[in-house]
Formats: sequence, C-alpha cells, structure tokens
Amino acid sequence: NAGVMQNPRHLVRRRGQEARLRCSPMKGHSHVYWYRQLPEEGLKFMVYLQKENIIDESGMPKERFSAEFPKEGPSILRIQQVVRGDSAAYFCASSPPTGANYGYTFGSGTRLTVV
Amino acid sequence: EDKVVQSPLSLVVHEGDTVTLNCSYEVTNFRSLLWYKQEKKAPTFLFMLTSSGIEKKSGRLSSILDKKELSSILNITATQTGDSAIYLCAARNAGGTSYGKLTFGQGTILTVHP
Repeated sequence: NAGVMQNPRHLVRRRGQEARLRCSPMKGHSHVYWYRQLPEEGLKFMVYLQKENIIDESGMPKERFSAEFPKEGPSILRIQQVVRGDSAAYFCASSPPTGANYGYTFGSGTRLTVV
Repeated sequence: EDKVVQSPLSLVVHEGDTVTLNCSYEVTNFRSLLWYKQEKKAPTFLFMLTSSGIEKKSGRLSSILDKKELSSILNITATQTGDSAIYLCAARNAGGTSYGKLTFGQGTILTVHP
C-alpha cells in the first residue's frame, strides 16, 4: 500500500504561470482533502472532495484556485496566474468512503515556490 | 469560525526533560482531536482522541482530552533529540459538508538539546 502520493515534490513557477499539484489517495480511499501550510504557520483547510464532487471548498481562495477529483486519475489542485503569496507547502490527505475513525494520512506535500 | 490554539508556540528543553504541550479548541460539531508530529515532510499521525478523560499512550508520548474545558494536552517524557519537531493539534468536525475537515492550530516547535 503506497500511501498518499503527491507530485511533484517541489515546483518552481514564475509569477503569472499556472501550477498543477497532483494527489493520488491511498488505495480504496475516495475522499481527498487539500491543506496549505504557509511558512511559520499551521495547516489550513482548503477543499474536501469525493470522486467527481466538491463537498466543501470553504477554505479555497475565491479566485485563481480550483480543485477536482475525477472518476479516474489523481486529484488536481490548480493555481492559475500564481503570485509570490502562493508560495507554500500544499498537503493532501485521504480517507475511505466511510470516513476515518483514525488519523488521516498525509502525503509528503508539494512545495511551491513562486519566483 | 472554528479555531484551535496551541501553547507554547515554541519550547526548548534538554534531553531527559518532560514536556507538556497544550491545545484548546472552539469548533462547531466537534468530533475528535488529533495530534500530529511534523518534521521536515508530512505530518505523521500520533493520536486521535474522542472521549474525554481517557489517556492514550504510545511509548513516551501520551495525550488526553478534556471536553468540558475544550482542551487537550500532549505529554512527552524523557525527551530525546529525535523528538525535536513541530507538534500540531487539529480538531475534526462531524457531519454535514464539513465531515472530516480538520482545523489545525499553529503548532508548537519543540527543540530538544543533547
């Protein structure tokens, strides 16, 4: 069981470019959560998705950010026209359909640097 | 708005010391309280607490939840340099569209000197 896989591990983008972050949940998990960690801060919830559905996006910035979890393939967090303030570590976690009666397993994260 | 606050923000101790990390929460539809250890990569799960007053233990680490005080503590005895990390506390929601959502505190940075 490979665990939650995120790629790339590190991503460097120039201001104005697009960033695409991928998350493959653990086998059998159909719920995905994205969190952002800014330097010197705790993790902040962004979005909760199930296959083909966004359940809770209350933590997503209103503009430039979007997320999807298609029927096939990984979940994608997309940031359009990146700015320096988007530089952060982005973590993904997954849980099974019945929810998690245990601690969520996080992926190793993608560290986005906007130059 | 849901809120989790941890204290202290940072702590420096020597090997062998015992430390207590604090976490308080204000979360609607509270379900459980989780502790994570974060070194250089992903947060790794330590404990999940759902019931008040029942201590969970793993080696030198232990944790307990107080639902009346809306708080939890994480104890580490006989600290080692390998315990140096950021310790994150998170409250989990129950039900509705927030099901499973974690609200994290800002973390406690623990540094253990030899």
